[in-house]
Amino acid sequence: QKEVEQNSGPLSVPEGAIASLNCTYSDRGSQSFFWYRQYSGKSPELIMFIYSNGDKEDGRFTAQLNKASQYVSLLIRDSQPSDSATYLCAVKGGGSNYKLTFGKGTLLTVNP
Amino acid sequence: DTGVSQDPRHKITKRGQNVTFRCDPISEHNRLYWYRQTLGQGPEFLTYFQNEAQLEKSRLLSDRFSAERPKGSFSTLEIQRTEQGDSAMYLCASSPNPGWAGGRDEQYFGPGTRLTVT
Repeated sequence: QKEVEQNSGPLSVPEGAIASLNCTYSDRGSQSFFWYRQYSGKSPELIMFIYSNGDKEDGRFTAQLNKASQYVSLLIRDSQPSDSATYLCAVKGGGSNYKLTFGKGTLLTVNP
Repeated sequence: DTGVSQDPRHKITKRGQNVTFRCDPISEHNRLYWYRQTLGQGPEFLTYFQNEAQLEKSRLLSDRFSAERPKGSFSTLEIQRTEQGDSAMYLCASSPNPGWAGGRDEQYFGPGTRLTVT
């Protein structure tokens, strides 16, 4: 069973702080990694993707990938109340070039 | 780029009835996916189309479920003889062909169809 694990939270940070969200995956052949943001009652919105080991930055978001440790993370700098949402980690496995396997998501709350 | 659209956004039906959902992908995307999401869980893969060909069906997709993508454009997902356990958000996503998009194949989701079976 290929799995993606996330801390369910809730993770609570003050406004302006750095929020750190973590994800581990079991399939060593996984090739592509995605972070989606999902507001309550809405559909997932793609915010970051990363394919290679290392860091990838986009505005206030940084994705970090370590394939040897089978670990991917998302850092949100200068957190805003509007960042309060569930963050879903998704992995595209080595045996599939199309199917995403999602974690259960981490609920982030940014307190003003 | 108008994004992925889904219709209807909400559907309430009685147990035993049939329902059909529609998805219109981003116009230049040839790959289309259906997922299902229940409360507190991440989306779960149901099926995948490349153009008009349905290339994989999850074991979650029982014989009461059928999906089509005629002409490789919009897709429909039909659930026959609905059960209360079918209540969920049904999500459609699309992505480009990586060979045409420089290797990029990110999936973009539509707004979803929330199904409630009473």
